Amino acid sequence: EDQVTQSPEALRLQEGESSSLNCSYTVSGLRGLFWYRQDPGKGPEFLFTLYSAGEEKEKERLKATLTKKESFLHITAPKPEDSATYLCAVHATGANSKLTFGKGITLSVRP
Amino acid sequence: DVKVTQSSRYLVKRTGEKVFLECVQDMDHENMFWYRQDPGLGLRLIYFSYDVKMKEKGDIPEGYSVSREKKERFSLILESASTNQTSMYLCASSLSGPLEKLFFGSGTQLSVL
Repeated sequence: EDQVTQSPEALRLQEGESSSLNCSYTVSGLRGLFWYRQDPGKGPEFLFTLYSAGEEKEKERLKATLTKKESFLHITAPKPEDSATYLCAVHATGANSKLTFGKGITLSVRP
Repeated sequence: DVKVTQSSRYLVKRTGEKVFLECVQDMDHENMFWYRQDPGLGLRLIYFSYDVKMKEKGDIPEGYSVSREKKERFSLILESASTNQTSMYLCASSLSGPLEKLFFGSGTQLSVL
């Protein structure tokens, strides 16, 4: 069974304090790993897709990396508007169009 | 931008009622999905559809059915609502193929009393 574990469950940062969010996965074969951002009262919004170990993608203060066992979402010098829940999901070999989501990490950035 | 619209933001129903949740997307996407989101459990897939009149069960289909008569519309049906179906329901769509990014609606918070 495909599994996705995100840690920590919640993270509080001071504005400008860089940190990383972790997504560990266990799948039979990885076809793609996705990061989404979800603001309160809204649906998740797509951030990145990573396909193979060693791949990295960046968007503003966010950088996503991928290894064979886990992915990190690095947040550099975060701002209060980065506060949200960050979701990780994997698409495994043979899973048709199904994604397996982690439970999410709630990030709070204080001014 | 792709827009995925869910018909209701909040819905309150009684146990045993038949409930319809509607979702419409405006970008000619092939795939549509229904998820539910519960605190501590994350997003779980109920049903998905990769074409008109086609549907596949997700991880938690029990107590639910779906309908996709037109490409742009995907309906989730609770045949007889129960209190354990109180949840946030999220509809999503994607272009085609399994690795396309999902576009989500804003969700329907359903309370079953």
